Amino acid sequence: QVQLQESGPGLVKPSQTLSLTCTVSGGSISSGDYYWSWIRQPPGKGLEWIGYIYYSGSTYYNPSLKSRVTISVDTSKNQFSLKLSSVTAADTAVYYCARVSYCSSTSCSWGWFDPWGQGTLVTVSS
Amino acid sequence: EIVLTQSPDFQSVTPKEKVTITCRASQSIGSSLHWYQQKPDQSPKLLIKYASQSFSGVPSRFSGSGSGTDFTLTINSLEAEDAATYYCHQSSSLPITFGQGTRLEIK
Repeated sequence: QVQLQESGPGLVKPSQTLSLTCTVSGGSISSGDYYWSWIRQPPGKGLEWIGYIYYSGSTYYNPSLKSRVTISVDTSKNQFSLKLSSVTAADTAVYYCARVSYCSSTSCSWGWFDPWGQGTLVTVSS
Repeated sequence: EIVLTQSPDFQSVTPKEKVTITCRASQSIGSSLHWYQQKPDQSPKLLIKYASQSFSGVPSRFSGSGSGTDFTLTINSLEAEDAATYYCHQSSSLPITFGQGTRLEIK
């Protein structure tokens, strides 16, 4: 079955850029039936959607983060990536990547998140 | 932005009890509402998709209902392993949003 794995630095200095990669295994990121997403969760708090990407490179971002976020895809490596610039302590969180259902046999619309990666804690601190 | 409000925030329950968690949307989202379970130090796991559709491999004691603005997750005959935080999520319109979570403690 499809599995997702996040990777990247666990510590980032304030004002720098957070960079994470999600590697997809057991399936192709180029499947037109799915989008791919980043979601984060500050310690002890709830879930916040960061953005979506399609294999074609089409992206949608949360307006609250849009000015600082870039999500990209590398279909040759079956990976997609997150860059978040000008980070502060408020960006300290567990970052998850997840697959998003999109097309069924009858129609296309964004749906549920499954599966999720195990998550990676990124701490912003000097 | 669509705001999802879950209630209660916290509930302490005994095994075999029936639990109901509600999720109210700030505007109609049809059936584009999904439920997740998150145990400590784990990633969320999908329980119910599109308000009432069971997801593969999820125990039958979990069920969902509702449409429009009011949704319910029901856990019949609660088991100790159901101790977790439960989140609802709407995919009707961007930005995607989640409820604040409901933490379930097993007595």
